[in-house]
Amino acid sequence: DQQVKQNSPSLSVQEGRISILNCDYTNSMFDYFLWYKKYPAEGPTFLISISSIKDKNEDGRFTVFLNKSAKHLSLHIVPSQPGDSAVYFCAASAPTNAGKSTFGDGTTLTVKP
Amino acid sequence: DSGVTQTPKHLITATGQRVTLRCSPRSGDLSVYWYQQSLDQGLQFLIHYYNGEERAKGNILERFSAQQFPDLHSELNLSSLELGDSALYFCASSPTSSGPNEQFFGPGTRLTVL
Repeated sequence: DQQVKQNSPSLSVQEGRISILNCDYTNSMFDYFLWYKKYPAEGPTFLISISSIKDKNEDGRFTVFLNKSAKHLSLHIVPSQPGDSAVYFCAASAPTNAGKSTFGDGTTLTVKP
Repeated sequence: DSGVTQTPKHLITATGQRVTLRCSPRSGDLSVYWYQQSLDQGLQFLIHYYNGEERAKGNILERFSAQQFPDLHSELNLSSLELGDSALYFCASSPTSSGPNEQFFGPGTRLTVL
């Protein structure tokens, strides 16, 4: 039972365009969501997060949108840069066990120059 | 550099053997988490320790065990290794034990079981 799903294993976009990475979840107890970026041979690094009391959080070129009714969140990167090419993981946690994050399988983003 | 260190970087061993993976959290972080990433899959949560105490367990096999020491470093012990245990093992740390928080990941240990 995969509670966090990233249905697109890969995404390719042109430099300067918008990248949209999607994530769906099934556990209605999840109330905090995070995005991590991972380069090859490195551990994931935190990118941006959002609490369920918000529907949008923005940090520079990165914006996360949360649609609680649809149990869906998305990460927008505008404008996309070649250095953004990486694997992006969506993660979620519930208040009953906030120390545990449940991760999706990741989406590999390729930004072409 | 996240400040989380993991040793060794690579480990090659045979089926049936036992190995120990080591993790040092960021200075000041009391929580340590262990994850397993098999080929092309997401990070599977294994276990969470806070200040020496086990706080949460994921789908960790009985052949696997972990502990966090008084100096806050943690070790993940994998025994009776099988081919399917070949994976990347990540350690992460965070300052708190509860409440939502970002985790800081180490570079991982790549385990290959032959």
